[in-house]
Amino acid sequence: DAKTTQPNSMESNEEEPVHLPCNHSTISGTDYIHWYRQLPSQGPEYVIHGLTSNVNNRMASLAIAEDRKSSTLILHRATLRDAAVYYCILREQGGSEKLVFGKGTKLTVNP
Amino acid sequence: DGGITQSPKYLFRKEGQNVTLSCEQNLNHDAMYWYRQDPGQGLRLIYYSQIVNDFQKGDIAEGYSVSREKKESFPLTVTSAQKNPTAFYLCASSIALDSPNSPLHFGNGTRLTVT
Repeated sequence: DAKTTQPNSMESNEEEPVHLPCNHSTISGTDYIHWYRQLPSQGPEYVIHGLTSNVNNRMASLAIAEDRKSSTLILHRATLRDAAVYYCILREQGGSEKLVFGKGTKLTVNP
Repeated sequence: DGGITQSPKYLFRKEGQNVTLSCEQNLNHDAMYWYRQDPGQGLRLIYYSQIVNDFQKGDIAEGYSVSREKKESFPLTVTSAQKNPTAFYLCASSIALDSPNSPLHFGNGTRLTVT
C-alpha cells in the first residue's frame, strides 16, 4: 500500500513556480521524505530529501509541514526540462527497504 | 563519474527463454535493488541486496532470480516462469540498506520485450 498520496497530474507555465504536494499522514518520526523525478524511458533521478526542516538545493526546495504529515516540492522557475513524473516516497529508519513508489505526479510545463 | 550502468537498453526475447539483465555500479554502495515498471504505473520491488552474497525477495519476486557475487554487480534473471515479463526494469543502489538519509541512485533501465 502506498504510504504517500500525490495528485495524478499538474500543469505549469514555463518560468513560473511549481508547488507539488504530497500527503503522508502515517509518517513516523524517523521516516525521511524523498523526492525523485523520472523522464520518459529513463530511470528516476534524485531531487531532494528531508526529515523535519525545510531543505534547499540547486534543483528544488522541500517544504515540510510542522506535523510532517505533508510536504511540498517547490520548483522555483519551471523549465521545459522539468516536465516529468515526480515521486514522493518515505524511507524508514530500520525499515525493510520495501520502498513504495506510487504513480507519482505527472508535471506538464507549458511554453 | 560514478553511477549505475544497466545493459542492454533494449532486449528482445522469445517466450520460454530465460534472460539476464546486467546492473553494475561504481559508487561503492552496499545496497542494490531491482524494480519493475509497467506503463503508466509506479515502481514495484523485485529483489534487493544489502551485502555481497545476500539478497531478499521484494513484493513481486516470483519468476525472477538474482545473484550478488560482487559488490559492484547485481544481475537479474527473468525466467520462463515469469508470466508477464515484458516491462521496464530499473536497478538502483544506496550507500547501505538502512540509510534513509541518503538517496537512491538509479540506472537508466532495460526495456524487455518478450514475444
